[in-house]
Amino acid sequence: AQSVTQLGSHVSVSEGALVLLRCNYSSSVPPYLFWYVQYPNQGLQLLLKYTTGATLVKGINGFEAEFKKSETSFHLTKPSAHMSDAAEYFCAVSFASGGSYIPTFGRGTSLIVHP
Amino acid sequence: DSGVTQTPKHLITATGQRVTLRCSPRSGDLSVYWYQQSLDQGLQFLIHYYNGEERAKGNILERFSAQQFPDLHSELNLSSLELGDSALYFCASSVGSGAPTGELFFGEGSRLTVL
Repeated sequence: AQSVTQLGSHVSVSEGALVLLRCNYSSSVPPYLFWYVQYPNQGLQLLLKYTTGATLVKGINGFEAEFKKSETSFHLTKPSAHMSDAAEYFCAVSFASGGSYIPTFGRGTSLIVHP
Repeated sequence: DSGVTQTPKHLITATGQRVTLRCSPRSGDLSVYWYQQSLDQGLQFLIHYYNGEERAKGNILERFSAQQFPDLHSELNLSSLELGDSALYFCASSVGSGAPTGELFFGEGSRLTVL
């Protein structure tokens, strides 16, 4: 069965510092991996996704993630945090269910950015 | 704005009652997904419909039911409500039938409070 684990329910950084949000997955088949972001009082929106091919995936707002099969990881990074990055971030993996692929989400990591 | 509309945004009701949550997907999207987000369970997949047909079921209680209508809007019915059903219910839509790489577009959610 596929699942994702996000390490750390809260991550706190200073503005301008590196952002690193950790995600490890469990999958018996090649995984399809996603990062979504949820701003306060909003729904989730896609940041980036890994399907096949290049292991370094670039997303919106300067975020990127690297797929490392040997470590079963898909960590999200951003070189320099901005105050507007404060949000909840969710890692997800698609799993097959019936006739569909369903994204299953991690518990989320709240990113706090200090001035 | 994701293009997915959910109503109502907030709903307060009593235990034992029944409520209906409504979702209008993005124009052209045939798939509708329902998720439940709570502090203790995280984001849980409930059910997926594609073009009016149920495609996949997740952790949906028997007291809950859903359907997708010919105009593609969907409704999630919650009955015999319990305190533990208090949560944020998200609807998401996508173009395809549940492809592994498919992006979901989320509404802003319906916050249900059961007193």
